[in-house]
Amino acid sequence: GNSVTQMEGPVTLSEEAFLTINCTYTATGYPSLFWYVQYPGEGLQLLLKATKADDKGSNKGFEATYRKETTSFHLEKGSVQVSDSAVYFCAWGDTGRRALTFGSGTRLQVQP
Amino acid sequence: GAVVSQHPSWVICKSGTSVKIECRSLDFQATTMFWYRQFPKQSLMLMATSNEGSKATYEQGVEKDKFLINHASLTLSTLTVTSAHPEDSSFYICSARDPAGGGGNEQFFGPGTRLTVL
Repeated sequence: GNSVTQMEGPVTLSEEAFLTINCTYTATGYPSLFWYVQYPGEGLQLLLKATKADDKGSNKGFEATYRKETTSFHLEKGSVQVSDSAVYFCAWGDTGRRALTFGSGTRLQVQP
Repeated sequence: GAVVSQHPSWVICKSGTSVKIECRSLDFQATTMFWYRQFPKQSLMLMATSNEGSKATYEQGVEKDKFLINHASLTLSTLTVTSAHPEDSSFYICSARDPAGGGGNEQFFGPGTRLTVL
């Protein structure tokens, strides 16, 4: 069935390190792909999105490219900060179902 | 972007009582809202789809008589946890899609409601 698979966390990095959080999906058709971030004690916030193959979503230094050939949407950031510590969720959605399917979330801890 | 609010942000109740959680779209109309449940350190699980003016659609395994959903207007959906028990303690999150907000099926999420049942 349709699903999203994320790399397990926690991911612990030092400040200014390079970040990659892997995400792959299984879906029929052409879903939209999203990364959401959840800071401690808060709700989910959209970080970035891509609606079609080869689109690159970007925001706050984070990037992810919709790779249809590998069914992936890996999240990257060149230099993480302590303030990036949060849980990151990959998700996909289609216009038919309209609800989102989430990955399990990856906790990122950035140490000074 | 579009804003979704939830009330209350947290609630503590005694076992056997009912708790109502409100979800509002503040600056857009949402014919459909979604209710998710999140256990500690886990992902969001869709509970039900709330449809304005009609019955909610529940996901498999979610008791519709326990989790009552009402979508009385285009800006308000409510989730009532009836006869709550400690195992219902969780983080409940609603979301809505702004149909006028362009493509991509982006969901706007409320800040969540933490329910603790004693």
